[in-house]
Parts: sequence; structure tokens; C-alpha cells
Amino acid sequence: ELKVEQNPLFLSMQEGKNYTIYCNYSTTSDRLYWYRQDPGKSLESLFVLLSNGAVKQEGRLMASLDTKARLSTLHITAAVHDLSATYFCAVAGGANSKLTFGKGITLSVRP
Amino acid sequence: NAGVTQTPKFQVLKTGQSMTLQCAQDMNHEYMSWYRQDPGMGLRLIHYSVGAGITDQGEVPNGYNVSRSTTEDFPLRLLSAAPSQTSVYFCASSLRPQGLNGYTFGSGTRLTVV
Repeated sequence: ELKVEQNPLFLSMQEGKNYTIYCNYSTTSDRLYWYRQDPGKSLESLFVLLSNGAVKQEGRLMASLDTKARLSTLHITAAVHDLSATYFCAVAGGANSKLTFGKGITLSVRP
Repeated sequence: NAGVTQTPKFQVLKTGQSMTLQCAQDMNHEYMSWYRQDPGMGLRLIHYSVGAGITDQGEVPNGYNVSRSTTEDFPLRLLSAAPSQTSVYFCASSLRPQGLNGYTFGSGTRLTVV
């Protein structure tokens, strides 16, 4: 059974500083997805990572995938208040892409 | 291009009532799925479909039925609602089952069972 772990579950960030959050998973997969969710809203796709060593960047966020370590990282550069949200990673298992989600990491950026 | 449309947005049911949550997509996506989101639990897969006429169970299928008679629609039926089914439900779709283009989520249905 595929398990996805995210840590930490809550992170208070100071504006302007850099942070990294992690997503670990338990079985082989080369498809990992990052989503952002604002309170009361749906999930917004951030990154689709489809191979070992994949790196994607959008604005202050950069995501990478290491399939051998079964680890993805989401790096935040110079945090700003607009990045406050819950971030989920999800890993696809099997041919029919049953997505398994982590529990999410809630980021809060303080001045 | 509407994407993934879920109705209703909010619903209150009494224990034992039945209802259908609607999900429709206009992107000709083969793959459609239903998730429930509960506080501190992330999203858990209920049922999914890789094409019209084909459905399968996810992690938490009990108490829910699905069918996929067309490519566009994937309704989720609650047969006899229970308080444990109070949750936010999301429908998601992808062009192909392998998810190489990612997944598009609907806006969600917030269901309360009293």
C-alpha cells in the first residue's frame, strides 16, 4: 500500500526567508504532483513531476523529485504572505494512477 | 471551457437519506475520480473510472456507488447517508489514466449529514 508522508504538518515562515518542505512516499513511483489549497477552496495544480531528477520552478516555488530516495522537496525562496496556504503532494501508483495524497502542510507567512 | 463542474456546492442531509453528487467535465478526459477530504486526513480516493463503462474502488468506497455511462459525467451516489460521510467531496479528472498532464479538480461539494 502506497503511503505518502509530508513534514512538517505546519510551518510558520518569516517573510523574506527561505524554506524547504518534504514529501516522502513508500513505494516506487515516477509521478508526483504538488497542489495548493486555500481555505474553503479547491486544489490548484502547482507542479507535475514525471521522472527522476525532474525540477520545476514557478515564481518563488521550486519542486524536485528523487525517485530513488522516494522524496520530493518544495523549496520556497523569500517567503511572502501570498504563499500562505496548505500544500499537498500526491503520488500516482499503478497504471490507473490512483493518487495517494499526503496530509498536507499548512504554511503561514508572518511579517 | 468550464473544466470540472460539481453540483451542488453545499448540501445538508438527514441520516438515511440518499443523494447524488454530480460531476461533469468538458475536456474529453478519460479518467475521473472522487475524493473526500476530512480535516487532518488529506484527500482519500473513493472511486475512479478510466473510461465510460469502467469503474473501480478506491481507498474508502463503502457507502458510495458510481457509474460512468458517458465520458463527461461521473456521479457519486450516497445510498443511505451517515454522519461519518460528512465531508468535502472533490471530483478530479485527467486526460489519460496515467495522469501525465496532471489532474483538474472541481470546486467541491460540502456535505453535512445530521
